Amino acid sequence: DSGVTQTPKHLITATGQRVTLRCSPRSGDLSVYWYQQSLDQGLQFLIQYYNGEERAKGNILERFSAQQFPDLHSELNLSSLELGDSALYFCASSVVDQGTDTQYFGPGTRLTVL
Amino acid sequence: GESVGLHLPTLSVQEGDNSIINCAYSNSASDYFIWYKQESGKGPQFIIDIRSNMDKRQGQRVTVLLNKTVKHLSLQIAATQPGDSAVYFCAEKPPPSGAGGTSYGKLTFGQGTILTVHP
Repeated sequence: DSGVTQTPKHLITATGQRVTLRCSPRSGDLSVYWYQQSLDQGLQFLIQYYNGEERAKGNILERFSAQQFPDLHSELNLSSLELGDSALYFCASSVVDQGTDTQYFGPGTRLTVL
Repeated sequence: GESVGLHLPTLSVQEGDNSIINCAYSNSASDYFIWYKQESGKGPQFIIDIRSNMDKRQGQRVTVLLNKTVKHLSLQIAATQPGDSAVYFCAEKPPPSGAGGTSYGKLTFGQGTILTVHP
């Protein structure tokens, strides 16, 4: 158990819908990262927050957005869902934001878009 | 663009053998490298890391080797056990890029190698 929690574990929804994925980092970690894992793209970095502020952005679609709240939990919002958005979404956390501290991953949320 | 690729997508070994998983990275300026293990239905689990100022680092039953000359990273697992069966990913952290250094903690992952250990 990494100490990172994610909810829900599974999510099934329809195209065009909007969903919110939630992540709670390990106690003491200020940085949260979101990754998408799909069969054809592998693990792709989406976005990073540090202490409430956006730090780095990857190949995140405009239909996706994220935020980190004062209690340091983070949410990833996916809207206008398409079939191709079906994937595993992982959250990771680390103490600081430099990337050379270990990123611990949560168990993931499996999103299925029908 | 940036990419981290693996030479072998699958590796099958017998229990007790040593395993070597290889990874080629593309960004010569990357300064930090990590190996993760992912078991079915779980998130990636940190195994070992190495900074670019080192060429070898050892952990418990695992060793990571870094060859910056040829941009190659390897993970050696000693006395491989059935519980080591998983997908192994290498990842690199590129240096900050763009105005204000926008790549902070971003990791670029390889596609993964499936390790199967037969009892």
